[in-house]
Amino acid sequence: GIQVEQSPPDLILQEGANSTLRCNFSDSVNNLQWFHQNPWGQLINLFYIPSGTKQNGRLSATTVATERYSLLYISSSQTTDSGVYFCAVGRGNLIFGKGTKLSVKP
Amino acid sequence: GAVVSQHPSWVICKSGTSVKIECRSLDFQATTMFWYRQFPKQSLMLMATSNEGSKATYEQGVEKDKFLINHASLTLSTLTVTSAHPEDSSFYICSARGDSQTEAFFGQGTRLTVV
Repeated sequence: GIQVEQSPPDLILQEGANSTLRCNFSDSVNNLQWFHQNPWGQLINLFYIPSGTKQNGRLSATTVATERYSLLYISSSQTTDSGVYFCAVGRGNLIFGKGTKLSVKP
Repeated sequence: GAVVSQHPSWVICKSGTSVKIECRSLDFQATTMFWYRQFPKQSLMLMATSNEGSKATYEQGVEKDKFLINHASLTLSTLTVTSAHPEDSSFYICSARGDSQTEAFFGQGTRLTVV
């Protein structure tokens, strides 16, 4: 099956800093989604991005499908950005990476 | 985006009993639904995929007789955890996708505690 690797596994930032999260996957896919899981467990859908670049406020994402990776950029981080960020990829069902745990300190 | 509603948000049940979790697509027809399980500090693991009107396809290692999945309509799928045991305590999340979609939409999740 498809393998999904996210890096880094943990990231600690000072408020205001920028960060880049990476997602590598092992096979061609037609779906790639980025999520933020809040402390209550709910998955917040950040981007549906099987290819190309999208931006939403301080967040942006780029997927290079031919090279099988995606990047999530967080600019001017805030404490409310803390949590776990998941990348999920697939061709039918979605396979999740292990996530990046982000902690933003005030 | 499309809305998927999951109910209940949390449930506590006694060991040996069964519990049913519902997943509804509110504003689209979900031809395919997925069920995931997440243990504390771990990622989401796919349990099964169900297509409306068909039997669910279970991932390796998931007991189909223990985790009964029904997808009888285009807006509702249910997961029944039968004869629950404390090791079944987990966070269960459903997702749904329409026929013309590749993007999947997720419910709020159900936290199951078996005592």
